Amino acid sequence: DVKVTQSSRYLVKRTGEKVFLECVQDMDHENMFWYRQDPGLGLRLIYFSYDVKMKEKGDIPEGYSVSREKKERFSLILESASTNQTSMYLCASSNSGRGGIRGSEQYFGPGTRLTVT
Amino acid sequence: AQSVSQHNHHVILSEAASLELGCNYSYGGTVNLFWYVQYPGQHLQLLIKYFSGDPLVKGIKGFEAEFIKSKFSFNLRKPSVQWSDTAEYFCAVQPFKLTFGGGTRVLVKP
Repeated sequence: DVKVTQSSRYLVKRTGEKVFLECVQDMDHENMFWYRQDPGLGLRLIYFSYDVKMKEKGDIPEGYSVSREKKERFSLILESASTNQTSMYLCASSNSGRGGIRGSEQYFGPGTRLTVT
Repeated sequence: AQSVSQHNHHVILSEAASLELGCNYSYGGTVNLFWYVQYPGQHLQLLIKYFSGDPLVKGIKGFEAEFIKSKFSFNLRKPSVQWSDTAEYFCAVQPFKLTFGGGTRVLVKP
């Protein structure tokens, strides 16, 4: 059973703080993803990674960076948190399969609800 | 850029009613198609996936979805809903990256 865990369920930070969100998956998946979920907008892709030390920008990368030093761990970093980054953040992972990054379904973590005040 | 639109933001219905949620996407090439569901307080989980083959696909919990290529649609259906189907439903399309629709909140009244 695939398990994707995120370091915190709820987080409150102040404007300008540096924020780290951690994600760990236990199924040896090649691909990992960070999304933010906002009402009416669904999930929007921030960054993804298809291998250790590799990263690709998603649709809304501004204000974020990522780190993937180990295969099972993918970190999202907010260098200087702002109030418009208040959101639910979801991590996901997937196998590559035959189709590469589009080859299989994504498995999601429980989410971190971040509030920036 | 690809986009995914879900026709309804909120749906309210009674138990035993039939449910149909619309999903349209804008991408001309080959895509993988998904419906994900998020029950209150739970993880986002896969409900249905379509990669190729029979355009009418069955998922978990009695759900099915139909891919109509000519209409760029992947609509979700369930003939008879239960109170436990109360959740938010997301359509997603994957030519490469996964792009989600805005979601539909479904409330099933007992």
